[in-house]
Amino acid sequence: ELKVEQNPLFLSMQEGKNYTIYCNYSTTSDRLYWYRQDPGKSLESLFVLLSNGAVKQEGRLMASLDTKARLSTLHITAAVHDLSATYFCAVAVRFGNEKLTFGTGTRLTIIP
Amino acid sequence: DTGVSQDPRHKITKRGQNVTFRCDPISEHNRLYWYRQTLGQGPEFLTYFQNEAQLEKSRLLSDRFSAERPKGSFSTLEIQRTEQGDSAMYLCASSPNRVNTEAFFGQGTRLTVV
Repeated sequence: ELKVEQNPLFLSMQEGKNYTIYCNYSTTSDRLYWYRQDPGKSLESLFVLLSNGAVKQEGRLMASLDTKARLSTLHITAAVHDLSATYFCAVAVRFGNEKLTFGTGTRLTIIP
Repeated sequence: DTGVSQDPRHKITKRGQNVTFRCDPISEHNRLYWYRQTLGQGPEFLTYFQNEAQLEKSRLLSDRFSAERPKGSFSTLEIQRTEQGDSAMYLCASSPNRVNTEAFFGQGTRLTVV
């Protein structure tokens, strides 16, 4: 059974600082996704990572994938308050099927 | 296109009652998924449709749960004889029939069983 673990589960950081969220998964994967969720809201797609060594950046967020280590990272650069949210990684293991197994999420709070 | 639409947004029901939720996917998206999310957890997969065919169901989907997508467009999720443990956010997602594309999620239906 596929397991997806994120750490840390909670992260409180000051504005302007850098930090990294880690996502480990237990079996070979097709694809890895990062989603953002604001309180009481649905999931917003951030990144789709499809191959070993893939790196994608959008604003202050950068995601990378190491399929050999079964590890993805979400790096936050110079955090701002608007980035406060819960971040989920999710893994798809079957080609052509978007069934996702999600991590437990990282609740990020940016302190002014 | 306004994205994946779910109705209702909130539902409060008494234990033992039946409830039905509706999901309208993004137009022309062949694939439709239902997930359940409890407080402080990531979404858990419930079931998946390709057009009108239900191709996969999770063990989480007990006999009290049934999902349909009769014409390959909107989908319904029915829970019979609701229990307090059914209280959760029920999320619907859709994706096109292309490889390597992400699923787009609706706003969810929050169910509270009292």
